[in-house]
Amino acid sequence: GAVVSQHPSWVICKSGTSVKIECRSLDFQATTMFWYRQFPKQSLMLMATSNEGSKATYEQGVEKDKFLINHASLTLSTLTVTSAHPEDSSFYICSARETGGPYEQFFGPGTRLTVL
Amino acid sequence: LAKTTQPISMDSYEGQEVNITCSHNNIATNDYITWYQQFPSQGPRFIIQGYKTKVTNEVASLFIPADRKSSTLSLPRVSLSDTAVYYCLVGGTSGTYKYIFGTGTRLKVLA
Repeated sequence: GAVVSQHPSWVICKSGTSVKIECRSLDFQATTMFWYRQFPKQSLMLMATSNEGSKATYEQGVEKDKFLINHASLTLSTLTVTSAHPEDSSFYICSARETGGPYEQFFGPGTRLTVL
Repeated sequence: LAKTTQPISMDSYEGQEVNITCSHNNIATNDYITWYQQFPSQGPRFIIQGYKTKVTNEVASLFIPADRKSSTLSLPRVSLSDTAVYYCLVGGTSGTYKYIFGTGTRLKVLA
C-alpha cells in the first residue's frame, strides 16, 4: 500500500520557537494532503487541507498565521507551528490521497510535539 | 459532510468475533464507507472500504445494508493486538474530499 512518512516523529521545543513538520508521500503523488491534530484520548481534528501549488484551506477556528502550511510539491507538505506555546503540544498527523488513485486516505505515523 | 455515530467503547474476549456498527444516516450517493484502526501514538491505519453489500479482505469484513445508512465492521476472532480505536468514515470520491472524524469506538480485547 501507499506510504506516508512524517518527520520528525517527535520534537520538544521551547515556548516561542517555531517548529516545522514534514509530510511526504513516498511512493505516490498527492495533490491534496490533510493535517490533523489529536489530543490525548480524543479523536482526530482536521486542521487544514493542503493543496499543491495553492493556499491551504483551514478549518474554522484554526489560526492560519500560527499553523503555516506549504505544499510545494506533489510529494511534500509542511506544517510550521509558529511561536509555539504549551497549549500547542499535541499529536500532529498528516494524510494524503493519491492523485487519481483509490479513495482511501493514507495516514502518516504522526509527530508528537511537546512545547516547554 | 456525512456524520457518523459509533459506540464509544466495546469489550471483547480473545477469539471472539467483534462487530462494530456505525450509523451514517445522511450518506450521499457517491460516498464510500471506510474503516480505520488507530493504536496509541500512531496514525490511523486503513482496514477496509466499501460502497454496498459486503466486502471482505484478509483482516475484516464490512457489511452494508441496501439503504447504506449504517455499516458493520466485523473482526473475526480478535486477539489482544486488536485493542485499538476504530473509526468509521464516510466520504466522497473527489480528491479534495475531507474526512471528519467522529468519536470512534475504543475496542478492548481481554484475555
